[in-house]
Amino acid sequence: RKEVEQDPGPFNVPEGATVAFNCTYSNSASQSFFWYRQDCRKEPKLLMSVYSSGNEDGRFTAQLNRASQYISLLIRDSKLSDSATYLCVVNLYTDKLIFGTGTRLQVFP
Amino acid sequence: GAGVSQSPSNKVTEKGKDVELRCDPISGHTALYWYRQRLGQGLEFLIYFQGNSAPDKSGLPSDRFSAERTGESVSTLTIQRTQQEDSAVYLCASSRNSQPLSGELFFGEGSRLTVL
Repeated sequence: RKEVEQDPGPFNVPEGATVAFNCTYSNSASQSFFWYRQDCRKEPKLLMSVYSSGNEDGRFTAQLNRASQYISLLIRDSKLSDSATYLCVVNLYTDKLIFGTGTRLQVFP
Repeated sequence: GAGVSQSPSNKVTEKGKDVELRCDPISGHTALYWYRQRLGQGLEFLIYFQGNSAPDKSGLPSDRFSAERTGESVSTLTIQRTQQEDSAVYLCASSRNSQPLSGELFFGEGSRLTVL
């Protein structure tokens, strides 16, 4: 079983739609969780951290479910500019960040 | 510059040759990471440095791969006797400190390696 698993997609949604991605992780001792965004042929960039109580940043909401070992990312009111690959990232132990393979989102007009 | 700098940006080599990839992290960042990303795939962890030491080398695919970091700055990733399966983008990232783990890695634009 992979350490971090994501549905590769693609998710094709119209502008204005709400879309959600899940990510599961295998190691229950995982400590920290993040979502990164990677545009086509570009380097990944941090989108947001994921906190136990859930957190929101504008149109983006991240949640963590430790019991079921998954994290989620919800995007409301999708924009064309949200089209990218969203990478789930888990910190297994100090300093080692494990990236999922990513979920591709395509927002169309 | 202010960001992570990698060189070369593109490298085409013949099977069996050695290659050296360089990463210049953001000044003052103590942690430095190397990842590999094959076409259409996710990021594969290779190695990370805390200062000049490498606490975790578990991701290096084989003994043909090695990395070093000197002066808590520049790092080089060396691939000996390259194989076609080594073709990928090699991404370097740095972060300010390790505790608490902020999760924010600043990536370079990568070195695209093609082994013919």
